[in-house]
Amino acid sequence: DTAVSQTPKYLVTQMGNDKSIKCEQNLGHDTMYWYKQDSKKFLKIMFSYNNKELIINETVPNRFSPKSPDKAHLNLHINSLELGDSAVYFCASSPSGQGGYGYTFGSGTRLTVV
Amino acid sequence: GENVEQHPSTLSVQEGDSAVIKCTYSDSASNYFPWYKQELGKRPQLIIDIRSNVGEKKDQRIAVTLNKTAKHFSLHITETQPEDSAVYFCAAAGGSYIPTFGRGTSLIVHP
Repeated sequence: DTAVSQTPKYLVTQMGNDKSIKCEQNLGHDTMYWYKQDSKKFLKIMFSYNNKELIINETVPNRFSPKSPDKAHLNLHINSLELGDSAVYFCASSPSGQGGYGYTFGSGTRLTVV
Repeated sequence: GENVEQHPSTLSVQEGDSAVIKCTYSDSASNYFPWYKQELGKRPQLIIDIRSNVGEKKDQRIAVTLNKTAKHFSLHITETQPEDSAVYFCAAAGGSYIPTFGRGTSLIVHP
């Protein structure tokens, strides 16, 4: 069973459209994240949720809106897509608690805006 | 906030050689330092991590060292193999436990 699964794997869409990416984890982790990886491979955090509560919201356009219906799911909705949104988006999860823990990443969603 | 610098950005070695990737961090409160390997077209995967109460950790051919005084940590890969070719990311996490990632090192191992 895949620990952190994302859908879709590929997404090609036109500018101005609205799209969603779904993420689910079956690890029982309390914390989930969305990262954006640009063409230079830089991993930039976008959002972090702990037990369905938003705890990190980095400087991201408000066209991006995360939604966590329960602690196993964290979806990303993007409105009015722009060319600069093209990137690979990774969902990740980790246990919460003191000391920090490693992430388990999903397989990524390659978004191409044309 | 935390700032993580990673060097080199590209590292090319011959099979069997050792490879060393170095990172520095700025926040003295950081106490957890994971390393991730990302193969082409795949997800980043945690390969080793170290906490601030430990100076060195080994797992087969990979090892990580941490110098808290100097605020730097390094990944060492010995007897490199072509399948070690990937992008490697260091990260540092402190009070928020949200890691700040380095910009990655592309390791190329030539057969």
